[in-house]
Amino acid sequence: SQTIHQWPATLVQPVGSPLSLECTVEGTSNPNLYWYRQAAGRGLQLLFYSVGIGQISSEVPQNLSASRPQDRQFILSSKKLLLSDSGFYLCAWSQWRDRAYEQYFGPGTRLTVT
Amino acid sequence: QKEVEQNSGPLSVPEGAIASLNCTYSDRGSQSFFWYRQYSGKSPELIMFIYSNGDKEDGRFTAQLNKASQYVSLLIRDSQPSDSATYLCAVNPPTDSWGKLQFGAGTQVVVTP
Repeated sequence: SQTIHQWPATLVQPVGSPLSLECTVEGTSNPNLYWYRQAAGRGLQLLFYSVGIGQISSEVPQNLSASRPQDRQFILSSKKLLLSDSGFYLCAWSQWRDRAYEQYFGPGTRLTVT
Repeated sequence: QKEVEQNSGPLSVPEGAIASLNCTYSDRGSQSFFWYRQYSGKSPELIMFIYSNGDKEDGRFTAQLNKASQYVSLLIRDSQPSDSATYLCAVNPPTDSWGKLQFGAGTQVVVTP
């Protein structure tokens, strides 16, 4: 069965500091990968998605970036965090099954920028 | 106009009753529709998805899709206190080929004993 991991689970960082969040998927190959952010009391906002190693598409201009150095590894980064970067960051993976891409989420990282 | 709209709730449902959640979407031609459950402080869990008009049942959950009306709903039968959560509707837009989803803001459901 497939498993998705994210770390760290929680993070408190000062404004202006760098960020690196990691996501790995087990039990599947060549998944589509996604980074979402959920602000407090808000819906999910798609930040980046990737359909293969080194292939990253950005959905929203911001001071975040993403990389996919390996097939099942997806990294979200920032050089300098802003207060507005606080939120719940979710990694997800999907594969085509039964006429649709079923998308599954990792446990998430709760980021507080102070 | 938001692309995926849901009533934010809270929807209060007595234990054992049917909870009915609604979702409308703006992109005509959207192909697949998903329902997720999110407990407070946790990540969303996929409940089920539907792509054909009509009903699809999975245990106590039934998804209903009406593409002509651009409307998708979720029924939860025999509601339990453990069903208290926020339910997210998500739509795969017609312009996308890679499984990207547009999410509604979610409907909070509270099942009262």
